[in-house]
Amino acid sequence: AQKITQTQPGMFVQEKEAVTLDCTYDTSDQSYGLFWYKQPSSGEMIFLIYQGSYDEQNATEGRYSLNFQKARKSANLVISASQLGDSAMYFCAMREGLYNFNKFYFGSGTKLNVKP
Amino acid sequence: DADVTQTPRNRITKTGKRIMLECSQTKGHDRMYWYRQDPGLGLRLIYYSFDVKDINKGEISDGYSVSRQAQAKFSLSLESAIPNQTALYFCATSDLDANYGYTFGSGTRLTVV
Repeated sequence: AQKITQTQPGMFVQEKEAVTLDCTYDTSDQSYGLFWYKQPSSGEMIFLIYQGSYDEQNATEGRYSLNFQKARKSANLVISASQLGDSAMYFCAMREGLYNFNKFYFGSGTKLNVKP
Repeated sequence: DADVTQTPRNRITKTGKRIMLECSQTKGHDRMYWYRQDPGLGLRLIYYSFDVKDINKGEISDGYSVSRQAQAKFSLSLESAIPNQTALYFCATSDLDANYGYTFGSGTRLTVV
């Protein structure tokens, strides 16, 4: 089974609108972390937001928020007020385990295009 | 200076050639990783190292080798490059619990012709 599933290979959103990028995960660990990364066309991987499995509040970082639904094992990224510079690939990732090995699983990504 | 520096940024090489990708970091992290990215497949782990005396294979290590020369340096070698090793390669580092994920280098775009 896939550890991280991103079901939207590509999405379009109008500038200034909000957009939700879907991510579901599969783990039997009690302790894990969920991450979103942005990859612009230049190629670098930029950390956006983190949610710990024990965090009760949804994580927020500026215009980014993570809609964490533990029972459904989903960790959707919400970008509010989209900007042209948000056009990029977005990867959801999960870290299993605490100290033994920081094993990360990455989804296949969602390509977001923001239209003016 | 970037926290994690990869060299070269871009490289075109011929089939059968040996090539080394280098990674250095100023984060002071013990843990370092090499990933490759292919379209539609996300990132896949090649090798990882928890300290200078620790090297471990990831899910796709065949055809690759690594060297951890120092805490701050971790290099990836392709002993005899082949075209299906054309990909974007990332070096990454993390601290012990990686609560903030990895710190990635800018990537090396490798083309094997």
